[in-house]
Amino acid sequence: EIVLTQSPDFQSVAPKEKVTITCRASQSIGNSLHWYQQKADQSPKLLIKYASQSFSGVPSRFSGSGSGTDFTLTINSLETEDAATYYCHQSSSLPFTFGQGTKLEIK
Amino acid sequence: EVKLVESGGGLVQPGGSLRLSCAASGFTFTYYWMNWVRQAPGKGLEWVANIKEDGSEIYYVESVKGRFTISRDNANNSLYLQMNSLRADDTAVYYCARGVRDYWGQGTLVTVSS
Repeated sequence: EIVLTQSPDFQSVAPKEKVTITCRASQSIGNSLHWYQQKADQSPKLLIKYASQSFSGVPSRFSGSGSGTDFTLTINSLETEDAATYYCHQSSSLPFTFGQGTKLEIK
Repeated sequence: EVKLVESGGGLVQPGGSLRLSCAASGFTFTYYWMNWVRQAPGKGLEWVANIKEDGSEIYYVESVKGRFTISRDNANNSLYLQMNSLRADDTAVYYCARGVRDYWGQGTLVTVSS
């Protein structure tokens, strides 16, 4: 099973700042890495698919990069509505797995 | 608009059974793999199972093998999860999700408790 480790677990950031969340895979997964945003009491929403492809309707301040074992989600110019937990997810091999999540608080 | 609506959750005793349903609309159901993903209260996401477009391939996470069965009815755009021999650690919100998990339903809560 591929283990995804996110860092940090928690981050508190002021509006308009830049946020970087990393996801490290226990083995190479190519670009089969996706990022989700989950707000309180809501279902997850896809932000980025295949490491760097923005999903339809996602604001341009969200971007992804990386390949192999190291991936990054970047949020430029943070907005208050970005308060959420963010998860990475690999679809390279079964069982599909998720990172443990990064909770983002807006100061 | 892609829409996924889960139903069938509830309170069940350990060892009991439950069948979840997911009604899909707004896209061509037969073009996509479908998935179940769960989230225990206050915890992260866990992929549970998926099924190919025509039902010919099915995969499960190890912890549910032999107890859960995923199926689909393409004529009625529906996805199912039959859950038997339920345990306390199966307590979670269960989501159905399309394809590479690009769209998710709102989830249905399953609580396993005596």
